[in-house]
Amino acid sequence: AQKITQTQPGMFVQEKEAVTLDCTYDTSDPSYGLFWYKQPSSGEMIFLIYQGSYDQQNATEGRYSLNFQKARKSANLVISASQLGDSAMYFCAMTDPSGGYNKLIFGAGTRLAVHP
Amino acid sequence: DTAVSQTPKYLVTQMGNDKSIKCEQNLGHDTMYWYKQDSKKFLKIMFSYNNKELIINETVPNRFSPKSPDKAHLNLHINSLELGDSAVYFCASSHPGTGPTGELFFGEGSRLTVL
Repeated sequence: AQKITQTQPGMFVQEKEAVTLDCTYDTSDPSYGLFWYKQPSSGEMIFLIYQGSYDQQNATEGRYSLNFQKARKSANLVISASQLGDSAMYFCAMTDPSGGYNKLIFGAGTRLAVHP
Repeated sequence: DTAVSQTPKYLVTQMGNDKSIKCEQNLGHDTMYWYKQDSKKFLKIMFSYNNKELIINETVPNRFSPKSPDKAHLNLHINSLELGDSAVYFCASSHPGTGPTGELFFGEGSRLTVL
């Protein structure tokens, strides 16, 4: 069965520095998608970045990049030049095609605090 | 325009009551979901509908009954509420299939508190 693991319950970073949030996954399916979502204190879920299992290059979206290491089954999120507004919960998720339809399963999340 | 909207945003009720949460999406998506986020922030899928048809039911107690009158709406009715039902319930929608189109678009969440 698919599984997503985020081992860092909390992370601290200084404003303007880069930070890496870890995510490992387990699947026997060769085709899958990996997502990162941000949940600020206001509670909404915000899509950040997507990586497909067959994508040759690491995904990037502005200050977000995904360090995809397929052999190690890791999909770490890198946030460059951290801003105070980046303080939030961050969830790694992957597609689970069981039952013939996709659903997303989520990791436990990492709470990021950006300090001035 | 809100893409995925849920009502109510906050719901406080007594144990044993029955309550409903409504969800509507205007994105033209075929697939809608209910996720539950517990007090530890863990997000878990409950149900999914594709074009009004139930396609995922993740061993949720049958006190929870989803209903999809059309593909733009997915409501969640909960009977005989229990303390453990206190959580934030998120509605979401997506296009079917893999790839970036599998991205979930979430509503703002409905915080249910059972006293």
